[in-house]
Amino acid sequence: DAGITQSPRHKVTETGTPVTLRCHQTENHRYMYWYRQDPGHGLRLIHYSYGVKDTDKGEVSDGYSVSRSKTEDFLLTLESATSSQTSVYFCAIKGQGDAGELFFGEGSRLTVL
Amino acid sequence: GEDVEQSLFLSVREGDSSVINCTYTDSSSTYLYWYKQEPGAGLQLLTYIFSNMDMKQDQRLTVLLNKKDKHLSLRIADTQTGDSAIYFCAEISSGNTPLVFGKGTRLSVIA
Repeated sequence: DAGITQSPRHKVTETGTPVTLRCHQTENHRYMYWYRQDPGHGLRLIHYSYGVKDTDKGEVSDGYSVSRSKTEDFLLTLESATSSQTSVYFCAIKGQGDAGELFFGEGSRLTVL
Repeated sequence: GEDVEQSLFLSVREGDSSVINCTYTDSSSTYLYWYKQEPGAGLQLLTYIFSNMDMKQDQRLTVLLNKKDKHLSLRIADTQTGDSAIYFCAEISSGNTPLVFGKGTRLSVIA
């Protein structure tokens, strides 16, 4: 158990509304990631963080912003949700060992109507 | 950018061996990984291999790496219905770059 909690686990919202997904970790890991998973696309990186207030974009960052004001929390915000952002969102943390493996949360399923 | 390719589907009979294949383009990959995703769950790390190895075995799992051809495979011996899942191949080229994932192979095990 890598100590990752995502919230909410399920959310239904309407187009144009703001949405924030939270990832919380209990193990003081430096690197945290947000991915989205869609049929036919696999996992695609949205944003990642390499420390408090240090973030960078992934391959599908348009329409998303992130914040990391403390080590344990990494927030993903959709400022104005669109139907194309209907997806399952996964948070991950990087392990402390040399292999750099990621450990994933259980996912947050977002539906934008 | 770097790319990781997998076939999308594989169907095997219970008790047979499954072989899931993956190709990648990054010649500077240092670690390659296999993840398993069961329905409604997150990805679970199954195993990984360092790029200077060509094989790693862990119980029913065997990972083969052909670095020259940039080909990675995962063999599951004595496949069981509980092995039905999506399997993702992933690679990393340096410690600080994000992992790159394939699209996943859906393994169906027929009883």
